[in-house]
Amino acid sequence: RKEVEQDPGPFNVPEGATVAFNCTYSNSASQSFFWYRQDCRKEPKLLMSVYSSGNEDGRFTAQLNRASQYISLLIRDSKLSDSATYLCAVNVPYLYASGGSYIPTFGRGTSLIVHP
Amino acid sequence: DGGITQSPKYLFRKEGQNVTLSCEQNLNHDAMYWYRQDPGQGLRLIYYSQIVNDFQKGDIAEGYSVSREKKESFPLTVTSAQKNPTAFYLCASRTQGAWTDTQYFGPGTRLTVL
Repeated sequence: RKEVEQDPGPFNVPEGATVAFNCTYSNSASQSFFWYRQDCRKEPKLLMSVYSSGNEDGRFTAQLNRASQYISLLIRDSKLSDSATYLCAVNVPYLYASGGSYIPTFGRGTSLIVHP
Repeated sequence: DGGITQSPKYLFRKEGQNVTLSCEQNLNHDAMYWYRQDPGQGLRLIYYSQIVNDFQKGDIAEGYSVSREKKESFPLTVTSAQKNPTAFYLCASRTQGAWTDTQYFGPGTRLTVL
């Protein structure tokens, strides 16, 4: 089972639609959760962090459900410019001989296509 | 401007050659990471470094090597032992003080084996 899983899509929606993505993680000790946006052939860029109480940034809302081990991203009033791949990232505990750390671990991404 | 730079942007390698990808950051971040991304796939961790002169293997370290002699620099060498190196390579960094800190990515290097 992969550490972080996402539905790859694509999600094909008309402008103005509301669309939601989920991302599940397998390690209950995971800390810190993020959504990134990646445009074609570019590096990922942070869209928003995900807080326990949920958080909103304009048309974007992120939620965390620790009991069910998933995070979600809701995009309202979709724009053509929202077309991209959305990656979730989870800080997963890594242990090694001399210590340990939380390492950002990524899902494979969900492709969103917004059409006129 | 503060940020992460990677070079070259595109790299072509003949089979059997070693190549080194550069990653430099001026964000004063302690931790640096190398990921590999294949088409339609997420990012897979190759190596990471929490501090100068220390680094750890990630999930797919075989066929790769790194060094961390300076805080600003974390070069990745793709050796001839890596059987399928054609991919998009991303370097990232973040502060190490809190596990909540965000990762920042460089623009990436596209490696193609001829």
